[in-house]
Amino acid sequence: TQLLEQSPQFLSIQEGENLTVYCNSSSVFSSLQWYRQEPGEGPVLLVTVVTGGEVKKLKRLTFQFGDARKDSSLHITAAQPGDTGLYLCAGVSGSARQLTFGSGTQLTVLP
Amino acid sequence: SAVISQKPSRDICQRGTSLTIQCQVDSQVTMMFWYRQQPGQSLTLIATANQGSEATYESGFVIDKFPISRPNLTFSTLTVSNMSPEDSSIYLCSVKDRPNEQFFGPGTRLTVL
Repeated sequence: TQLLEQSPQFLSIQEGENLTVYCNSSSVFSSLQWYRQEPGEGPVLLVTVVTGGEVKKLKRLTFQFGDARKDSSLHITAAQPGDTGLYLCAGVSGSARQLTFGSGTQLTVLP
Repeated sequence: SAVISQKPSRDICQRGTSLTIQCQVDSQVTMMFWYRQQPGQSLTLIATANQGSEATYESGFVIDKFPISRPNLTFSTLTVSNMSPEDSSIYLCSVKDRPNEQFFGPGTRLTVL
């Protein structure tokens, strides 16, 4: 069973549209990270959230950490083709020292 | 953030052979990890590379198949031994140099024929 469930798994939208990706778990996370990965490259860290209810913005990307620190969302406004990639959430829970990764969301933004 | 390089970037190998992947970091880091990723899918942790001691392997991964070295705080190797086509994957080195931030190398794309 995947500790972190992401939805949707695949998303194809037109340039200019808005979208939200969800990352859900039954476990509490001390911190949660969002990554974007492009073909042939390693995941690139976008943001880290650590406080329940925290909201962080990175240009057109808005990240939210749930109040109970069990879920998170990534909202992209006015998506662009350059946003295309695999989006991964990952978190540290309990006494673990390493990240547990979500199942991933493959986003395609069509021009 | 730490800058991570991996060698080789990709390789095509024959069944039954072994490949050693190198990971170099531009600064000393305490924690280094090795992950495996099927194309388009999420990451699975293979092991934590411990400096000066044996690596800590996750369930489903064993030292005989994936021996790991960590001779110092900036370098690690992962060997994929006695390869089969099921080992075809992307192998990623990762480091944690701050409490809540983990960074990844560019990956090594392995194809086993």
